[in-house]
Amino acid sequence: GAVVSQHPSRVICKSGTSVKIECRSLDFQATTMFWYRQFPKQSLMLMATSNEGSKATYEQGVEKDKFLINHASLTLSTLTVTSAHPEDSSFYICSARVGSHNQPQHFGDGTRLSIL
Amino acid sequence: DQQVKQNSPSLSVQEGRISILNCDYTNSMFDYFLWYKKYPAEGPTFLISISSIKDKNEDGRFTVFLNKSAKHLSLHIVPSQPGDSAVYFCAASDRGNNRLAFGKGNQVVVIP
Repeated sequence: GAVVSQHPSRVICKSGTSVKIECRSLDFQATTMFWYRQFPKQSLMLMATSNEGSKATYEQGVEKDKFLINHASLTLSTLTVTSAHPEDSSFYICSARVGSHNQPQHFGDGTRLSIL
Repeated sequence: DQQVKQNSPSLSVQEGRISILNCDYTNSMFDYFLWYKKYPAEGPTFLISISSIKDKNEDGRFTVFLNKSAKHLSLHIVPSQPGDSAVYFCAASDRGNNRLAFGKGNQVVVIP
């Protein structure tokens, strides 16, 4: 149980392109979904938290107009990197959780984004 | 500021023996702690968690111990199996926010 599917697993595209990443909880309804970014040799960095039907809460320093998050249902959240540039190249990973902070987050397998 | 610290980045252990991973934290507001396992090219997989009201939680071969006064937790894997070879992350959260604070991970290699 508690499977989270993230798609695509890898994207290579030209600078200026917008890229959408999907995160789905396959066998449970997620109260909250999270988006992280990971830089080489560093821990996961939380970008934003989203609850179904409401606006995402972004961490300090994360541009909400750059990283658009839509949490359309209890099983789907999307992250769109708008007008991506090479500095946006990174590993993006989502997680989903049922309930409050004392429940585990379940992670997708991540998306490797490379902007040329 | 690293609120969750995992020292000794790598550990090698013989199959069948015990693997012990350690984690220290600095934020006294943390009240929920988790261990994740990660294989290359995959996301972290939840292993086991513990609430701050407990000092031990056991699930099969995995046991997590929490020492609140020392702000320290550990993960014991016994017996270790070759499939346990992975990177293990310690994480913590508090009631006040949704964030999981992660350590940098420990590489475990189980030698057959």
